[in-house]
Amino acid sequence: GEDVEQSLFLSVREGDSSVINCTYTDSSSTYLYWYKQEPGAGLQLLTYIFSNMDMKQDQRLTVLLNKKDKHLSLRIADTQTGDSAIYFCAEIPNQGGKLIFGQGTELSVKP
Amino acid sequence: DTAVSQTPKYLVTQMGNDKSIKCEQNLGHDTMYWYKQDSKKFLKIMFSYNNKELIINETVPNRFSPKSPDKAHLNLHINSLELGDSAVYFCASSQWTAGGQTQYFGPGTRLLVL
Repeated sequence: GEDVEQSLFLSVREGDSSVINCTYTDSSSTYLYWYKQEPGAGLQLLTYIFSNMDMKQDQRLTVLLNKKDKHLSLRIADTQTGDSAIYFCAEIPNQGGKLIFGQGTELSVKP
Repeated sequence: DTAVSQTPKYLVTQMGNDKSIKCEQNLGHDTMYWYKQDSKKFLKIMFSYNNKELIINETVPNRFSPKSPDKAHLNLHINSLELGDSAVYFCASSQWTAGGQTQYFGPGTRLLVL
């Protein structure tokens, strides 16, 4: 089946690292995605990882993929108050165009 | 120079009315999508068009009808609006490739049905 799971909330202090976790059930996806949604705003494509990679780094963002366990994580280094948002993990099973989203993790960054 | 744009941004209307939401993309993509985000922030696909042809049609009431006049535009018309239609509707676009379809989203249309 197609299912993507995330924890709902994460609270960190400014300057700490944040790690947002995601598990998925369908192993056919070529890419796995992270989207960011700030309050009242649209969905911003943050980063994505090709399914044959284990890790992708992009400035403060590090994506780790464990295909065996179907586990994806997003690490944000030196978290800032501007990183407060909802982060969605998503996949497209069978390259069929339909993005399947997790429930979103609300990241709260305290000064 | 917004990549994916939607109008209107906010829509407040009465139950039973008919309304349309418009979407345009200037990324040169060949595929466009409509997603619905409910009050719990859950996102689900509704429709997708590739080169003006409907390719994804999820279980959505017949009151919702998408229309794609060309590759750069995808509109959503909703008849006889109900309270449960209140949500944020997102348009997205991508290039259709065999390996996957990285999708870029518009700012959303916040629909409130009273």
